[in-house]
Amino acid sequence: EVQLLESGGGLVQPGGSLRLSCAASGFTFSSYAMSWVRQAPGKGLEWVSTISGSGGSTYYADSVKGRFTISRDNSKNTLDLQMNSLRAEDTAVYFCAKVVGSSAGPYHFDYWGQGTLVTVSS
Amino acid sequence: SYELTQPLSVSVALGQTARITCGANNIGSKNVHWYQQMPGQAPVLVIYRDSNRPSGIPERFSGSNSGNTATLTISRAQAGDEADYFCQVWDIITVFGGGTKLTVL
Repeated sequence: EVQLLESGGGLVQPGGSLRLSCAASGFTFSSYAMSWVRQAPGKGLEWVSTISGSGGSTYYADSVKGRFTISRDNSKNTLDLQMNSLRAEDTAVYFCAKVVGSSAGPYHFDYWGQGTLVTVSS
Repeated sequence: SYELTQPLSVSVALGQTARITCGANNIGSKNVHWYQQMPGQAPVLVIYRDSNRPSGIPERFSGSNSGNTATLTISRAQAGDEADYFCQVWDIITVFGGGTKLTVL
């Protein structure tokens, strides 16, 4: 059974940093690209970032490029998102999702974690 | 950037057929995927590549895609189908529709 469990969310001040993690199990982690998708309170889904199975290729939404860094540790089956220079508009639930397809696209998501809430506020 | 347009809400009578649309320029040339999200829950894939159902998704869920509109159809709607539904395509980046709240009356 595929399981994705996010952690690391919390309250952070504007300009601050936070590191999210996603622990994966139930599939061969290194064989699949992974993504982060976020959802602001009461809003729709927004793609944030994707990383290839090897970790060698990464992709970012324009809204987070230069501030967020996606990475993975295939020996530990974990996916991370380092978030710097956080803004109020980054407030959202962050989901990790397993990708079906190439990290360069096209792809979709067949499994999602339950999400972790990030609140950026002073 | 590529934009997907969904109605904010759709209502359907219990046992009837609900249709949720996802509109965009020439969307018929792309693969469309649909997700169901219950309140406070993670999204669940219900249709992939226009019309394919993942294992465990009831046959009541079906999809189509042609021209400028993709459609998620839910037959014999049940109270448990009440949720938000999002369409998604890949067009250089991943794009989601704004979501449709389905109400079963």
